[in-house]
Amino acid sequence: KQEVTQIPAALSVPEGENLVLNCSFTDSAIYNLQWFRQDPGKGLTSLLLIQSSQREQTSGRLNASLDKSSGRSTLYIAASQPGDSATYLCAVRPPPYSSASKIIFGSGTRLSIRP
Amino acid sequence: DARVTQTPRHKVTEMGQEVTMRCQPILGHNTVFWYRQTMMQGLELLAYFRNRAPLDDSGMPKDRFSAEMPDATLATLKIQPSEPRDSAVYFCASGYGTDEKLFFGSGTQLSVL
Repeated sequence: KQEVTQIPAALSVPEGENLVLNCSFTDSAIYNLQWFRQDPGKGLTSLLLIQSSQREQTSGRLNASLDKSSGRSTLYIAASQPGDSATYLCAVRPPPYSSASKIIFGSGTRLSIRP
Repeated sequence: DARVTQTPRHKVTEMGQEVTMRCQPILGHNTVFWYRQTMMQGLELLAYFRNRAPLDDSGMPKDRFSAEMPDATLATLKIQPSEPRDSAVYFCASGYGTDEKLFFGSGTQLSVL
């Protein structure tokens, strides 16, 4: 059974710092991995999607990496800004041939950027 | 800007009442997910549709919950009868195939008193 873990649950850093958020999963047979951002009282916004054949994806100040063999993904945020404060969740999708169909979400890391 | 639309945004009801939540997926998307989010459990998948056919509703309490897609532009999630433990935020998400990103609606905040 796939389990997705995000540690730490909360992180506070000063503005301008580069930071890394972690996501680990127990079953390396994944189809893709997606990073989301959730602001308080809002839905989830997709940030980056990495296919199982890819190693990383970049969008602006965000870079997501994937190491399937070790069951890990990281989200790197460069030059953090107060507007980056939110909860960041990762989610893994099983392969289409799998009997499992559920996209499994981690519990998220609540990020706070101090001005 | 294409988006997933959910109604209502907030719902307060009394225990035992029927609750219906609606979702309009992004036009052209063929997969629809219903999730429930609570502080204790995080995001839980309730139901998953592809091309309007239910593929997985194993996370849904069948005795009181039902999910349908009457047409490609509407997905519904019903709870009858509702219970206080159903209080949560219910999210609908849509996507196209398995390669594409998921797009979430703003959610329905449900409070059952």
